Amino acid sequence: SQKIEQNSEALNIQEGKTATLTCNYTNYSPAYLQWYRQDPGRGPVFLLLIRENEKEKRKERLKVTFDTTLKQSLFHITASQPADSATYLCALPRGSSASKIIFGSGTRLSIRP
Amino acid sequence: DSGVTQTPKHLITATGQRVTLRCSPRSGDLSVYWYQQSLDQGLQFLIQYYNGEERAKGNILERFSAQQFPDLHSELNLSSLELGDSALYFCASSVDGHDNYGYTFGSGTRLTVV
Repeated sequence: SQKIEQNSEALNIQEGKTATLTCNYTNYSPAYLQWYRQDPGRGPVFLLLIRENEKEKRKERLKVTFDTTLKQSLFHITASQPADSATYLCALPRGSSASKIIFGSGTRLSIRP
Repeated sequence: DSGVTQTPKHLITATGQRVTLRCSPRSGDLSVYWYQQSLDQGLQFLIQYYNGEERAKGNILERFSAQQFPDLHSELNLSSLELGDSALYFCASSVDGHDNYGYTFGSGTRLTVV
């Protein structure tokens, strides 16, 4: 079955720098991959979806890349702010034709002023 | 407010008991998903309903069951509760079940089994 690997160690960076988070997956390449943000005790919030035929997707200060050869997605936050501090989750379909998604364990990001 | 409503927000109950968690999806969404999140497990997919019918099952215990009603709201029933069932339970909804547009999550129900 599909497995998702995200760096379990927290990422601490200085305000204004670019934060880069990694999501690796095993087995088959998914048709799409999603990124969510989750704050403590709250439900995840959808940020971006990137499809397998897209190399890059942008939304304001967010950028996601998708490399099906490396089986990896990178999530970038440019000009990071303390308000960006949260856990970021990678998600993708459970199966090749699945309509339900599974989540990685997430990477906690802390932006220090 | 995400548009997905979950009740209750908090629930404290004893081992062996049964509880029901309720979810109202965002207006227009036909699919409802239930996830369990505990500290050491991350978000675990439990079950999906689409327009009243079960679409997919994940790591859902036999002691747990769910249903989606004609008005599209969903209930997750947890019975014979154990201490290990303590977790945050999230409901999410999406438009068509093929989640090309992402899921909308509710704020969750925090279940504590004592």
